[in-house]
Amino acid sequence: KNEVEQSPQNLTAQEGEFITINCSYSVGISALHWLQQHPGGGIVSLFMLSSGKKKHGRLIATINIQEKHSSLHITASHPRDSAVYICAVGPTGNQFYFGTGTSLTVIP
Amino acid sequence: DVKVTQSSRYLVKRTGEKVFLECVQDMDHENMFWYRQDPGLGLRLIYFSYDVKMKEKGDIPEGYSVSREKKERFSLILESASTNQTSMYLCASGPGQGYEQFFGPGTRLTVL
Repeated sequence: KNEVEQSPQNLTAQEGEFITINCSYSVGISALHWLQQHPGGGIVSLFMLSSGKKKHGRLIATINIQEKHSSLHITASHPRDSAVYICAVGPTGNQFYFGTGTSLTVIP
Repeated sequence: DVKVTQSSRYLVKRTGEKVFLECVQDMDHENMFWYRQDPGLGLRLIYFSYDVKMKEKGDIPEGYSVSREKKERFSLILESASTNQTSMYLCASGPGQGYEQFFGPGTRLTVL
């Protein structure tokens, strides 16, 4: 069962390119989260959103509740953006469901 | 800043050994979680706890147990480690339902 689907699984971009990562989910949610995991393991939360759009620096996250879809955009990508980006949704209770992640490599 | 720490970054154990992975958070969070992460499978929930001495099974609890004797500490126990438990183990904590989770740095466990 895949409550959360991400695409693409792998993405390679040239420095400066505009990047989009997509997330679709099939469960009712209280919030959707975008997480970033650098090589070495640590995961940090980038965004938590339940409607509309949020922006932080070069990162933009949007969500369409009716279509059960979210996108993470990175403008003017940089090699330090290379990481795995994970979409997670928090339905009822305390459990979260995670996508399998999108591995992004930005080439100088 | 919230801090979640895990007892080891890397661990190598032999098949059949009892393994303890410890997680400590310093933000008085009610909820704590143990996940394992494997290539192509993403994060999978092993157990979670919403209060001291309370625990709930996640999606893949077989072969694992947990202990939460104090609010800040959540331990994952592999009673008899097996090679298929070689994985990255991530602990997380959170203040309540629907709120974000804060992750520890992870423990990469290899069972030989």
